[in-house]
Amino acid sequence: GAVVSQHPSWVICKSGTSVKIECRSLDFQATTMFWYRQFPKQSLMLMATSNEGSKATYEQGVEKDKFLINHASLTLSTLTVTSAHPEDSSFYICSGRGGSRTSSYNEQFFGPGTRLTVL
Amino acid sequence: GESVGLHLPTLSVQEGDNSIINCAYSNSASDYFIWYKQESGKGPQFIIDIRSNMDKRQGQRVTVLLNKTVKHLSLQIAATQPGDSAVYFCAERRSNTGKLIFGQGTTLQVKP
Repeated sequence: GAVVSQHPSWVICKSGTSVKIECRSLDFQATTMFWYRQFPKQSLMLMATSNEGSKATYEQGVEKDKFLINHASLTLSTLTVTSAHPEDSSFYICSGRGGSRTSSYNEQFFGPGTRLTVL
Repeated sequence: GESVGLHLPTLSVQEGDNSIINCAYSNSASDYFIWYKQESGKGPQFIIDIRSNMDKRQGQRVTVLLNKTVKHLSLQIAATQPGDSAVYFCAERRSNTGKLIFGQGTTLQVKP
């Protein structure tokens, strides 16, 4: 399958600072990228969906001003956690999907995740 | 956020036995289902998928069964190996939005 990378793989930051996580599709063009958050021993919860060149669509309960998503190219999406707090500590996973935005059968490829710890 | 439910949080099996992991979904508009394996500290790894117009699909040592009548999905792993130990998630794709919604996960423990 196609490869999605994330950087950094882990990050520790102080409360109140901002952290940027990069998600890259290495061998395909990701028309749509998804960002998930996973707390320990829980499932992946979808945070937002972004289409290249468009504003991200956030799931209910996810603060768009806190979790800034940029999908400026077909191979790169970034998630910036602004003014991070300890409760934002989590495993953040991105996923890319190529092909038509209207096709539901195009496979999604997941990144390896980024572990964020806010002190 | 939304999630698909799972029946059992933990499944413990003996090496060599067959494993069956179950999943219940609630949205009849979902038309595509996927099973993922997630090892500790890693992202989800695709195992097998099935479209809603099918009721069974087989892969290498894995089989997915779909029962749309009762909105039930299962993953069968034949001759379970220690390397199969992980958390398994089912996920459903909503046909109207294309979003992939994950279930709660089942931890599979394989005893040697």
